[in-house]
Amino acid sequence: DVKVTQSSRYLVKRTGEKVFLECVQDMDHENMFWYRQDPGLGLRLIYFSYDVKMKEKGDIPEGYSVSREKKERFSLILESASTNQTSMYLCASSPFRQDLYEQYFGPGTRLTVT
Amino acid sequence: DQQVKQNSPSLSVQEGRISILNCDYTNSMFDYFLWYKKYPAEGPTFLISISSIKDKNEDGRFTVFLNKSAKHLSLHIVPSQPGDSAVYFCAASPWGGGSEKLVFGKGTKLTVNP
Repeated sequence: DVKVTQSSRYLVKRTGEKVFLECVQDMDHENMFWYRQDPGLGLRLIYFSYDVKMKEKGDIPEGYSVSREKKERFSLILESASTNQTSMYLCASSPFRQDLYEQYFGPGTRLTVT
Repeated sequence: DQQVKQNSPSLSVQEGRISILNCDYTNSMFDYFLWYKKYPAEGPTFLISISSIKDKNEDGRFTVFLNKSAKHLSLHIVPSQPGDSAVYFCAASPWGGGSEKLVFGKGTKLTVNP
């Protein structure tokens, strides 16, 4: 079974703090993604990566950065957390295959910024 | 501009009856469609998918129908069970797979009443 794990299920941070969210997958997938989910807005893509040290902006990259130093690990960084970044953060991975579109999601991190 | 639309934020059905969740898309380049199911405080899990070369795909109680001319797909759940209560996301991808992003709708919250 594909397993995607995220470092924390719940996180509370203060405004202005630097926040690291870690994601690890164990299936040797090339592609990794970070989304945030907010009520009424669905899943919105923040950043994705299709290879080590490669990254591409998604639909809402402002206020975020990412790091992918190893194939299995994809980190999301909030340089200076703000209250509007309170959200559910979801990591996903998928293999690089022309016939496969499915992404596998981690359990999510509920981040609260106070 | 929303490329994948789920116009019903919520749906309530009786146990044993049929649940029909709808999804519309605007991008004619989309070639593959997926449905994900999400419980609170968990990551989305893949449910069922359909390629544009088909108009129907069935998996147990779940059937997805695709009408390419109308740019519309629907997920049928028969019979509905209380455990099906979750948020359902429709997602679409252009042809090619690989590292292509998925475009998600905003989700429909399904409640199945005992």
